[in-house]
Amino acid sequence: GQNIDQPTEMTATEGAIVQINCTYQTSGFNGLFWYQQHAGEAPTFLSYNVLDGLEEKGRFSSFLSRSKGYSYLLLKELQMKDSASYLCAVMDSNYQLIWGAGTKLIIKP
Amino acid sequence: DVKVTQSSRYLVKRTGEKVFLECVQDMDHENMFWYRQDPGLGLRLIYFSYDVKMKEKGDIPEGYSVSREKKERFSLILESASTNQTSMYLCASSLGTHTGELFFGEGSRLTVL
Repeated sequence: GQNIDQPTEMTATEGAIVQINCTYQTSGFNGLFWYQQHAGEAPTFLSYNVLDGLEEKGRFSSFLSRSKGYSYLLLKELQMKDSASYLCAVMDSNYQLIWGAGTKLIIKP
Repeated sequence: DVKVTQSSRYLVKRTGEKVFLECVQDMDHENMFWYRQDPGLGLRLIYFSYDVKMKEKGDIPEGYSVSREKKERFSLILESASTNQTSMYLCASSLGTHTGELFFGEGSRLTVL
């Protein structure tokens, strides 16, 4: 079966750095996506990786290793507004998105 | 900016009632999707549509149907609501067929009593 694993919850301190990991086992691979979802709001697209390596976008970076079935989302200079759930999703060989359950990130002052 | 609007943020229905969830997008996107989101589970795809009057079953279509009479509107129908359909329902749209960049509505939280 297809599976996406990510930690259920993480806590970090304002101003610090946090890494949210995602491992996957899917039927084929056509890209990995990260979304941010604030409580009670719509998920919003953060990043896309299809090749190995690091993609940087401001304070957020996303890394992919296809051989290891592994990605992480790195958030730097954490702000209170970064408190949210972060969803990892993989597009499989049928171009369907397989979603992880999400990681709830709690930022403490 | 793309805007995806879901008609109802919160609904409470009784078992056996027919439920309509409406979704409208304003960016001329070809593709539209209905997901449900439950605690501890990833988003699960109910139905999707790549064109007007076209629909495809997702992973959990049982108990649901959809309608796409116009490009901008994608409706989810629960013919006879059951308590296990209590959930958050998310509508999304995308521009390309093989893109994973989805634009989501804010969700409709349905409670079936």
